[in-house]
Amino acid sequence: AQSVTQLDSQVPVFEEAPVELRCNYSSSVSVYLFWYVQYPNQGLQLLLKYLSGSTLVKGINGFEAEFNKSQTSFHLRKPSVHISDTAEYFCAVSGKTSYDKVIFGPGTSLSVIP
Amino acid sequence: IAGITQAPTSQILAAGRRMTLRCTQDMRHNAMYWYRQDLGLGLRLIHYSNTAGTTGKGEVPDGYSVSRANTDDFPLTLASAVPSQTSVYFCASSDSNRATGGYTFGSGTRLTVV
Repeated sequence: AQSVTQLDSQVPVFEEAPVELRCNYSSSVSVYLFWYVQYPNQGLQLLLKYLSGSTLVKGINGFEAEFNKSQTSFHLRKPSVHISDTAEYFCAVSGKTSYDKVIFGPGTSLSVIP
Repeated sequence: IAGITQAPTSQILAAGRRMTLRCTQDMRHNAMYWYRQDLGLGLRLIHYSNTAGTTGKGEVPDGYSVSRANTDDFPLTLASAVPSQTSVYFCASSDSNRATGGYTFGSGTRLTVV
């Protein structure tokens, strides 16, 4: 079974500043990793995913994440945030075998301050 | 626009009443899922269906039932609602038996049980 920890429940950051949202996972097998974003009163949208290969993954809206197997982490970064990035961000993990379900972390609320 | 449609958008329900949340997708995805989202707990899987005609229990199935008569529809039924079922409910789908493509989510149903 897998589990996900998001170390920060809330992250306030000033506009145009860099941000890092932290995610650690636990699993006894190889995993797929995901970041989803949820804007107010909307469903979740896939931001980026790591399946295999290069450990640096680029997603939509200028976000990127780096898979670190030794630290079992998948932190999300953006070099310069905008007001429109204010949202809830969920890290998620899934096993690689058939019908493994995606397990979501508790979420990190990113607030961009003008 | 291809995606998932959930209905109703919101509902206030008296305790003890029966309620069905509707979910329809037009992407011909094999797998479908129901999650509930509660503050601080992230998303928790209620029930899932790997393919039409099959269903399975997730992390928090008690008090809920589902059916999957065809590929497109995956309704969630609360037989006798209780206040602890107050939550935001999300339907999701994926196009394969592995989560490589991530999940597509609906916009959610906000349910209040009083």
